[in-house]
Amino acid sequence: EIVMTQSPATLSLSPGERATLSCRASQSIANNLAWYQQRPGQAPRFLIYGASTRATGIPARFSGSGSGTEFTLTISSLQSEDFAVYYCQQYDNWPRTFGQGTKVEIK
Amino acid sequence: EVQLVESGGGLVQPGGSLRLSCAASGFTFSTYGMNWARQAPGKGPEWISHITGSSGAVYYADSVEGRFTISRDNAKNSLYLQMNSLRAEDTAVYYCVSPLITTTNRVHWGQGTLVTVSS
Repeated sequence: EIVMTQSPATLSLSPGERATLSCRASQSIANNLAWYQQRPGQAPRFLIYGASTRATGIPARFSGSGSGTEFTLTISSLQSEDFAVYYCQQYDNWPRTFGQGTKVEIK
Repeated sequence: EVQLVESGGGLVQPGGSLRLSCAASGFTFSTYGMNWARQAPGKGPEWISHITGSSGAVYYADSVEGRFTISRDNAKNSLYLQMNSLRAEDTAVYYCVSPLITTTNRVHWGQGTLVTVSS
């Protein structure tokens, strides 16, 4: 099983600041990585696939990068609705696995 | 518009069984593999099972292998999860999840159905 490790666990930032979230895979997954956002009481929201391709309707302030084992999600300028938990997920191998999440909270 | 609507959750005793259903619409269901995922209270999501479009192959997480069975009925645009030998640690919101749908360029999640395993 591929283990996905996210860091940091919590990111405390102010609106307008830049957020950088990291995700590491225990073995190479090429670019078979997705990012999700989850707000309280809601289902996860699909943000990015192929490590860097935004899904339909996702604002350009969200960007993804990386390949192999190291990946990054960047939110260029945090808006109020961006404070949430973010998960990475690999879909290179079965079982599909998620990271434990990074909470982006208001400082 | 793609919609995934789960049903069948509820309270069940340890060792009991439950069958979840997911009604899909807005895309050509039979051409896509489908997934179940779950999220325990206060935890992150966990993928638990996948079935190919033709039901030719299925995959399970180790945590549910041998106890849960995924199936589908393409004529009814429906996905199912038969859950047997339920344990307290199976308590979670269960989600029906599509793959990337080419017409929407999104992965779609249902609203979820809560399964509580408790005596």
